Amino acid sequence: LAKTTQPISMDSYEGQEVNITCSHNNIATNDYITWYQQFPSQGPRFIIQGYKTKVTNEVASLFIPADRKSSTLSLPRVSLSDTAVYYCLVGDQYNFNKFYFGSGTKLNVKP
Amino acid sequence: DAGVIQSPRHEVTEMGQEVTLRCKPISGHDYLFWYRQTMMRGLELLIYFNNNVPIDDSGMPEDRFSAKMPNASFSTLKIQPSEPRDSAVYFCASSLPPLNRAYEQYFGPGTRLTVT
Repeated sequence: LAKTTQPISMDSYEGQEVNITCSHNNIATNDYITWYQQFPSQGPRFIIQGYKTKVTNEVASLFIPADRKSSTLSLPRVSLSDTAVYYCLVGDQYNFNKFYFGSGTKLNVKP
Repeated sequence: DAGVIQSPRHEVTEMGQEVTLRCKPISGHDYLFWYRQTMMRGLELLIYFNNNVPIDDSGMPEDRFSAKMPNASFSTLKIQPSEPRDSAVYFCASSLPPLNRAYEQYFGPGTRLTVT
């Protein structure tokens, strides 16, 4: 089981780019890297997913180095509404019972 | 699409009582998941279903917990008897099968359970 390590919390200011790094040293060949966002009193929401190199969507970018032992979620120009907990998950999509959300990173965006 | 629907949103009950949480997945989704979230343990997968069949219930904490999915549009998680340590937010999520390993789960708003 490829567990992940993320910073417990991060602070940022509106308009800044935020990078949250996740360590997953034991990632397996078939594992994908997925990031979820959770606002207070809501369920987690899928943000982005990748296997290697770089993935970008309308919300974020995901950078994965060649060894895949870490990944970085990049949020461009954050706003107050991006204050949330961000979870990094690593797992084989065909083994759901191995999904491990961990503690996540609490991002606090200040005005 | 209404998304995943859970009811009730809040439940307060006394120790020893039976609690039933309900979930309606997104139409067309083959997979349904039940999670529990607490400050101490984070988000834990309890059980998941594929095409209404329970696939893995290794996360169910005790025999007091049971889950059913009688049809594709409805699932229940039951706790009998309930205990104070069951107090948590329970999430239901659903998904399509993985496609080329691309995969995401859609979570409901959760049920906040308080057992006194």
